[in-house]
Amino acid sequence: GDSVTQMEGPVTLSEEAFLTINCTYTATGYPSLFWYVQYPGEGLQLLLKATKADDKGSNKGFEATYRKETTSFHLEKGSVQVSDSAVYFCALTRATSGTYKYIFGTGTRLKVLA
Amino acid sequence: ETGVTQTPRHLVMGMTNKKSLKCEQHLGHNAMYWYKQSAKKPLELMFVYSLEERVENNSVPSRFSPECPNSSHLFLHLHTLQPEDSALYLCASSQDFGTASTQYFGPGTRLTVL
Repeated sequence: GDSVTQMEGPVTLSEEAFLTINCTYTATGYPSLFWYVQYPGEGLQLLLKATKADDKGSNKGFEATYRKETTSFHLEKGSVQVSDSAVYFCALTRATSGTYKYIFGTGTRLKVLA
Repeated sequence: ETGVTQTPRHLVMGMTNKKSLKCEQHLGHNAMYWYKQSAKKPLELMFVYSLEERVENNSVPSRFSPECPNSSHLFLHLHTLQPEDSALYLCASSQDFGTASTQYFGPGTRLTVL
């Protein structure tokens, strides 16, 4: 079945460090890929998305490229801030048999130290 | 209020109680969702409503009963729950039910079953 695999956290970085959070997926067909972020005490909010292979999603300095050949959608940011501390979720959606699948990863907690 | 709101934010109930979770979206969206978020597990999609009609029911036990009286409101009725049902229950909405639709999440209800 479909699945999303994320690196386990927590990931702890110093301010201004480079961030990579790995995400790989298993799915048939042509899924859309998403990164959501969850700040403490809040619901998830969309960070970026890509709907077809080789698309790059970007927002607030974060980027991820939809790589069909490696079935990956790794999240990157060149210089993290303390305010980026949160839990990051990779997710996919795809159409199947007249409906849609929504699959999330387990989430990766990021801690950024001043 | 804007966005997606959920009440109550915290709920403690015994296994024989009956309670309801409420979700309201102020975004004019056509699709609404219930998710279960447990520690170290992927988000689990429970139910989806599109245009007030249930379109997904992902093998959820009958002790969880959803209700969507109109496109802005979604309820999750709970009865005879088990301790393993303790989790954060998230409501979300999107413009439409589809692969590229961004979901907007509420802050969740933290449920503890004693």
